[in-house]
Amino acid sequence: GAVVSQHPSWVICKSGTSVKIECRSLDFQATTMFWYRQFPKQSLMLMATSNEGSKATYEQGVEKDKFLINHASLTLSTLTVTSAHPEDSSFYICSARDNYGGHTDTQYFGPGTRLTVL
Amino acid sequence: GQNIDQPTEMTATEGAIVQINCTYQTSGFNGLFWYQQHAGEAPTFLSYNVLDGLEEKGRFSSFLSRSKGYSYLLLKELQMKDSASYLCAVMDSNYQLIWGAGTKLIIKP
Repeated sequence: GAVVSQHPSWVICKSGTSVKIECRSLDFQATTMFWYRQFPKQSLMLMATSNEGSKATYEQGVEKDKFLINHASLTLSTLTVTSAHPEDSSFYICSARDNYGGHTDTQYFGPGTRLTVL
Repeated sequence: GQNIDQPTEMTATEGAIVQINCTYQTSGFNGLFWYQQHAGEAPTFLSYNVLDGLEEKGRFSSFLSRSKGYSYLLLKELQMKDSASYLCAVMDSNYQLIWGAGTKLIIKP
C-alpha cells in the first residue's frame, strides 16, 4: 500500500515554456502533499506544502508565481513550473502524507521528475 | 535553529553490520523517520520512531532516545543493494519534516 505516482518521470523543455508535474496518491487519500526539489548530491529542499482545497504554503525563497501548485482533490496535486529557465533544472519530488493508515503522518514519496531546461 | 546531524559517508563490508547515527535539535518533536535513497531515485520509507526504544524490521532496526536527541539506523547482513544514501528526518511541532543531509553508505565486497 501507500503508493505515490508522479508524471512525467522526466521532461526536457525549452527555456520560457511551462511544465506541469502531477503527483497522485494511488491507494490512499492525502489531505496534504509536499513538493521538494533536490540538486545533485544535496538533501531534499521543501518547496511548498499543498493542502487539498486551499492555497499552498510556500517556503521562504520559493516564488509562488513561478511554481504554481494546485491540490484539487484528495489524490492529486500538480506543480507547474512557469517560464522555465535552465536554473530550474532539477529533480522534483512529491510526497503525500498518509493520515489515516500505516504510521501516523508518514510521508510517502513519488518516484520524482527530472526536469531539464535547455 | 533546527539542526539534524548525520555522518556524510560510511563504508562497510558485505555481510557485516553498520550503524548510522543521527542527532537532532528541533522545535518540537513528532517522530523521527529514516529513508533510503538510491542515486537518482526518490526516497523510500524505512522506519518511524516516536517513542524511545528499538524498532526492528527485518535486517533494519531503528533506535530513538528523545532525551538525548539521538537515533540510529542499524543495518545487518549488509548486501550490495544496501549501497545508498540514508536520510534522517524529524517531524517538528508544525508537522514539517526537517531533513538531515543524508549518509552515503558504500558497501564493499
